[in-house]
Amino acid sequence: SAVISQKPSRDICQRGTSLTIQCQVDSQVTMMFWYRQQPGQSLTLIATANQGSEATYESGFVIDKFPISRPNLTFSTLTVSNMSPEDSSIYLCSVLTGGEAFFGQGTRLTVV
Amino acid sequence: GIQVEQSPPDLILQEGANSTLRCNFSDSVNNLQWFHQNPWGQLINLFYIPSGTKQNGRLSATTVATERYSLLYISSSQTTDSGVYFCAAWGGADGLTFGKGTHLIIQP
Repeated sequence: SAVISQKPSRDICQRGTSLTIQCQVDSQVTMMFWYRQQPGQSLTLIATANQGSEATYESGFVIDKFPISRPNLTFSTLTVSNMSPEDSSIYLCSVLTGGEAFFGQGTRLTVV
Repeated sequence: GIQVEQSPPDLILQEGANSTLRCNFSDSVNNLQWFHQNPWGQLINLFYIPSGTKQNGRLSATTVATERYSLLYISSSQTTDSGVYFCAAWGGADGLTFGKGTHLIIQP
């Protein structure tokens, strides 16, 4: 299994600003994943982050809006840039260990 | 990519009732998981079950990989079972694909 510490757990931000979300894993993992869950919706993959390489973004998500860092095998950050109210969502990081996915507690973001 | 469909989308039951949630997926998978999302948004791992049957207390799950479906059984429902149940499948290196979820309400 894996224990993932994600922070902040929630934030209220002004439109036009940026927020960086951090994820710390208790073991080394090759890939980390970032998901978005819009209100009342399911989870959608934003990007896959491998250590030492550029993140791979899913259709509809771009690096300028959601820059990701992966400086080592236990840590990653996702930044939500130039926020608008449409970015209000829960953001979750995830890892795969032994084929099973584990998730951080999520960051509930509200943009006003 | 893999398509994941869940049914029913909504389910309202009385406390003590049993329920069955279904997940269909479109292709062979390396990973099939069930999650419960609590009111605070946290995803709780219920089962990692790419095939076969597992049980954990009042919950059990069965995946028939050859027929591309999985079932989650909840017996003797309690109000704390309320929430959204997600099925998610992984076919390769591009993360999990989630179904739209089943919103379960258990009434006292």
